[in-house]
Amino acid sequence: EDKVVQSPLSLVVHEGDTVTLNCSYEVTNFRSLLWYKQEKKAPTFLFMLTSSGIEKKSGRLSSILDKKELFSILNITATQTGDSAVYLCAVTNTGNQFYFGTGTSLTVIP
Amino acid sequence: SAVISQKPSRDICQRGTSLTIQCQVDSQVTMMFWYRQQPGQSLTLIATANQGSEATYESGFVIDKFPISRPNLTFSTLTVSNMSPEDSSIYLCSVMGGGQPYEQYFGPGTRLTVT
Repeated sequence: EDKVVQSPLSLVVHEGDTVTLNCSYEVTNFRSLLWYKQEKKAPTFLFMLTSSGIEKKSGRLSSILDKKELFSILNITATQTGDSAVYLCAVTNTGNQFYFGTGTSLTVIP
Repeated sequence: SAVISQKPSRDICQRGTSLTIQCQVDSQVTMMFWYRQQPGQSLTLIATANQGSEATYESGFVIDKFPISRPNLTFSTLTVSNMSPEDSSIYLCSVMGGGQPYEQYFGPGTRLTVT
């Protein structure tokens, strides 16, 4: 059965801390892995990863994929209260199906 | 990227009634998706809506309960029929990215509470 597992389920940190969110997957005919940030209702797109070892970076956020070990990490450095959200990992297959993880709830305390 | 709007943004409904959620996209898209996110859970795909054909439902979801319309390439509706409290959820529509393949863009969501 295809599945995406995220850890930890929740995380509470202080402003300025660095956090690492994990996403492991077992999806047949893998195509890409995507990270989303979900505040309130709708997820917003962060990164799409298709190749191993190539880091994607946007400001304080970065992500990397390991297709051999079937996982990805999302790093957030110098966290701010505005980073508080649920971070979702999704994996797509060659049939364009999306498999979402349950998300990691991040709370950043001032 | 695509700009997606949904109506209503939230509603409180009585059990046994039906609610139709509208999804409007600012560009023509082939595939639109409807998701449900129950409290504390991740996104679950309800169905894929292609213009000009019947929607394709995922396991556990049926057309009688969640009828979908897709009259053109920029609009879709999802109806939640004969609602029960278990249908209380956020309902999201989404579209595939055009410039960036396999991205999905999500509408703002409809928060449904069934009493």
